[in-house]
Amino acid sequence: DGGITQSPKYLFRKEGQNVTLSCEQNLNHDAMYWYRQDPGQGLRLIYYSQIVNDFQKGDIAEGYSVSREKKESFPLTVTSAQKNPTAFYLCASSEGSNEAFFGQGTRLTVV
Amino acid sequence: AQKVTQAQTEISVVEKEDVTLDCVYETRDTTYYLFWYKQPPSGELVFLIRRNSFDEQNEISGRYSWNFQKSTSSFNFTITASQVVDSAVYFCALSDLERTGNQFYFGTGTSLTVIP
Repeated sequence: DGGITQSPKYLFRKEGQNVTLSCEQNLNHDAMYWYRQDPGQGLRLIYYSQIVNDFQKGDIAEGYSVSREKKESFPLTVTSAQKNPTAFYLCASSEGSNEAFFGQGTRLTVV
Repeated sequence: AQKVTQAQTEISVVEKEDVTLDCVYETRDTTYYLFWYKQPPSGELVFLIRRNSFDEQNEISGRYSWNFQKSTSSFNFTITASQVVDSAVYFCALSDLERTGNQFYFGTGTSLTVIP
């Protein structure tokens, strides 16, 4: 089946630790995105990539990093510089002007 | 700047009632796209509809209908004869290609609860 796979579904991070969220798509889409969702809030853009080896900061990029070495993969690293990382993270991909397809999300909790 | 406003934070209706979710957008582009997504408790966003700025025809899909009015910059979503399975958070979104590549701008969402 074509789609977007995010892993893990749940992730726990200790204070001061970096963690990486995985996002893989087999839709052959050029564009990929990372969003953060906090309770009662909308989706805020962290980073997006329109092509391999290129990405741009979104509205809340501080404390996060990404890479786009392959078309199908767009991992997000939550660094220790992100002071409030507990949230629901959604990865998406799209092609041209079409709709974005979303993964099932990763729920990150700081312990 | 692009912006999407969903003024209704939470709505509760009794099953079989009709309900309209409001969406107002801002953009300076002439070519843009509007979307609605449904987010059930599982968390994944489910695509419902895409509309381009040149097509103002209303659309109906089963119990769902959408009203796009450029004059008021609105793209409202109506659920007819609501069902418990419609309970979810609904997001309206805007995208454009002219200014920022294909970025999506989301509203803050409307949480719909359908009471049996």
